[in-house]
Amino acid sequence: NAGVTQTPKFRILKIGQSMTLQCTQDMNHNYMYWYRQDPGMGLKLIYYSVGAGITDKGEVPNGYNVSRSTTEDFPLRLELAAPSQTSVYFCASSYDIGTGELFFGEGSRLTVL
Amino acid sequence: GIQVEQSPPDLILQEGANSTLRCNFSDSVNNLQWFHQNPWGQLINLFYIPSGTKQNGRLSATTVATERYSLLYISSSQTTDSGVYFCAVEEGNSGGYQKVTFGTGTKLQVIP
Repeated sequence: NAGVTQTPKFRILKIGQSMTLQCTQDMNHNYMYWYRQDPGMGLKLIYYSVGAGITDKGEVPNGYNVSRSTTEDFPLRLELAAPSQTSVYFCASSYDIGTGELFFGEGSRLTVL
Repeated sequence: GIQVEQSPPDLILQEGANSTLRCNFSDSVNNLQWFHQNPWGQLINLFYIPSGTKQNGRLSATTVATERYSLLYISSSQTTDSGVYFCAVEEGNSGGYQKVTFGTGTKLQVIP
């Protein structure tokens, strides 16, 4: 199993550009999450999904959108990038909530200039 | 929401020393995980431990859910143990999405 795979690993955007961070998992997990980690800080939840076709907002959803058309994929869309979105983004998945261990991808470092 | 506090915030160890990291949480939890974020930024699962004690090599963890804390023990530390250690808890609500809250981490540096 590859686990959770994120692409790209690094990206530089100009203010106002848009992009999609890709995330896929091969563990047949129902639950998927996007977190951001700012320098020296813990992780904050952006969006999550409990299954294909179902998504919901986390703590810091503004400026982002997600979709979940399949169990495996959970892309994160940044519209009109702003410097405040400079961060490291982590995708994660778990089999279930309450009983599920979180597994993380390797992260995507995004810089908005 | 639930508060998760980790201590100490920073720790410097000589290689070979032992250490204990602590995670306190303010409410009941369904589960608790410990992660190691290595200097390259990767988040590595250490323990999934809602209660009890687990051991994996030089690392062990104990969670006392009734007293709302968890401890991570590192014995015979190595330079590869350097990085940030996070605990993450899932709040103990019933039904629906249950929020996972991360602590602010303990930054560990092991020097040769």
